[in-house]
Amino acid sequence: SQQGEEDPQALSIQEGENATMNCSYKTSINNLQWYRQNSGRGLVHLILIRSNEREKHSGRLRVTLDTSKKSSSLLITASRAADTASYFCATGKMDSSYKLIFGSGTRLLVRP
Amino acid sequence: DTGVSQNPRHKITKRGQNVTFRCDPISEHNRLYWYRQTLGQGPEFLTYFQNEAQLEKSRLLSDRFSAERPKGSFSTLEIQRTEQGDSAMYLCASSLDTGGTYQPQHFGDGTRLSIL
Repeated sequence: SQQGEEDPQALSIQEGENATMNCSYKTSINNLQWYRQNSGRGLVHLILIRSNEREKHSGRLRVTLDTSKKSSSLLITASRAADTASYFCATGKMDSSYKLIFGSGTRLLVRP
Repeated sequence: DTGVSQNPRHKITKRGQNVTFRCDPISEHNRLYWYRQTLGQGPEFLTYFQNEAQLEKSRLLSDRFSAERPKGSFSTLEIQRTEQGDSAMYLCASSLDTGGTYQPQHFGDGTRLSIL
């Protein structure tokens, strides 16, 4: 079963605008990660935030984590057409397997 | 290219047939994971290996599914007596566990299975 839900399910924006995606999860976590998936391809790791961190930046990406609300957000600034993809949050379980529990994803369309 | 490689990319088969997928992880990675992804959903964990040992299997992995990683390198996932519900993308991922800092998983492009 999925760990949580992403919101919105789909997002369409103009190139240059910012895109914000939200993720909620259900159980205690060790870390939360965001992945991108282009159509028909595998997932590409974007960024990881640990449970004791509140915000993290990587290039045009900004991730926040609120463990009290069991939620995270991914902000993509100055979006480009190449950012068009599905974005998934994934939580790392607090056990030795490090298996990932994924949300249902946000499908982002950036119009040129 | 030294990423995770999966073969075949696509497999179409009739219901009731057996299928086998292969995953070649990044060479130094000791952990290997299998996930299944249906259309419009996120991947769901199936099983994982630490070197050649299969350490955990999801309830999703019915008796018709078997996975191996015989020498701690490549892995195979076999589905016997395929059913319509097995149609999905099967993703393989690998990572390096050193007992220290967590390392993210690297995914292959998957094998898309279609059951006729």
